[in-house]
Amino acid sequence: DTAVSQTPKYLVTQMGNDKSIKCEQNLGHDTMYWYKQDSKKFLKIMFSYNNKELIINETVPNRFSPKSPDKAHLNLHINSLELGDSAVYFCASSQDASGGYEQYFGPGTRLTVT
Amino acid sequence: QKEVEQDPGPLSVPEGAIVSLNCTYSNSAFQYFMWYRQYSRKGPELLMYTYSSGNKEDGRFTAQVDKSSKYISLFIRDSQPSDSATYLCAIDRGSTLGRLYFGRGTQLTVWP
Repeated sequence: DTAVSQTPKYLVTQMGNDKSIKCEQNLGHDTMYWYKQDSKKFLKIMFSYNNKELIINETVPNRFSPKSPDKAHLNLHINSLELGDSAVYFCASSQDASGGYEQYFGPGTRLTVT
Repeated sequence: QKEVEQDPGPLSVPEGAIVSLNCTYSNSAFQYFMWYRQYSRKGPELLMYTYSSGNKEDGRFTAQVDKSSKYISLFIRDSQPSDSATYLCAIDRGSTLGRLYFGRGTQLTVWP
């Protein structure tokens, strides 16, 4: 039974398009995250939601807009895609945001912008 | 200066070797120290977790934290080809944001 799932796994699109990535967790966790992993494997936090409220918003272009309809879901919408957006995007969740909790990662969405 | 520094490698060792992976960090406020393992084309998974200074052992894996030097290590004994992966250190300040600071990851290959 998958704990953190993401769709789609692969996304190939052209510059200028708008796309969305969906994430769902069935662990009953309160906190969810979006990370971007570049080609050199560096994992960078983008956003974090706790109980549907945004608590971390890193320096990310405002073309990226997260949305949390409920505690189990966190989606990421990207407008006007650019070549530099090509990366693997990981969703993660943790029990809560109080620190020291394991983060459970999804399988990733490999985005390629051409 | 980055919060966490980690040598990205790559590191290539023969089966049975002892592997040492290391990270340094800059902020003494960090309290929780983790190692995540990421296999190719998969998401990271928690491997080891340590609170504050000291050692923790789990089978062939030992995690060490030296807060006075701001230095954390992961040792793998009797390394196996199945240990081939990227290892990421991650550090948590214990704030109310649940934020992890990741190292760049060290790519390890264990050849038979």
